[in-house]
Amino acid sequence: KQEVTQIPAALSVPEGENLVLNCSFTDSAIYNLQWFRQDPGKGLTSLLLIQSSQREQTSGRLNASLDKSSGRSTLYIAASQPGDSATYLCAVIRGAAGNKLTFGGGTRVLVKP
Amino acid sequence: NAGVMQNPRHLVRRRGQEARLRCSPMKGHSHVYWYRQLPEEGLKFMVYLQKENIIDESGMPKERFSAEFPKEGPSILRIQQVVRGDSAAYFCASSPPLARETQYFGPGTRLLVL
Repeated sequence: KQEVTQIPAALSVPEGENLVLNCSFTDSAIYNLQWFRQDPGKGLTSLLLIQSSQREQTSGRLNASLDKSSGRSTLYIAASQPGDSATYLCAVIRGAAGNKLTFGGGTRVLVKP
Repeated sequence: NAGVMQNPRHLVRRRGQEARLRCSPMKGHSHVYWYRQLPEEGLKFMVYLQKENIIDESGMPKERFSAEFPKEGPSILRIQQVVRGDSAAYFCASSPPLARETQYFGPGTRLLVL
């Protein structure tokens, strides 16, 4: 059974600092891994999707790495801004079959001005 | 191209009533997924449907919950005889026919059971 863990559960940083969010998964046989952002009371916004054959993806200030063999992904957010305050979720799809996303518990981020 | 639409956005029910949650996928998407987010818990998969077919319902509670995605119209998640423990945010996602592409999420329906 796939389990996804995100540490830390909460993070508070001053504006301008780089953010490092961690995600680990127990079954390395994944098809892809996604990072999402969730604002309070809102839905999820997909940030980055990494296929199992890739090692990283970049979009603007965001960079996500994937190490399948160790079961880890890291989301880096450069030069954080107060608008980056949100909960960040990682999720994986199993490689063998199926389409369901298995989510981590999320990291709640607060960027202080 | 409108995103995934869910309605209602907020739903209040008394214990024992029925709750019906609707999801209209993005145009061209034929795959729908339902997830539940209980208070202070992560998102959990409930069910995966294609038009007129349930593909994977491994996350659905065995009783009182059902889902459908008819040939015409939105996908419906139905909860019969709601209990307080059903209070949660219910999210719908859709994806295009290449089933493993990115899932696009709706804004969610927040169900409160009194």
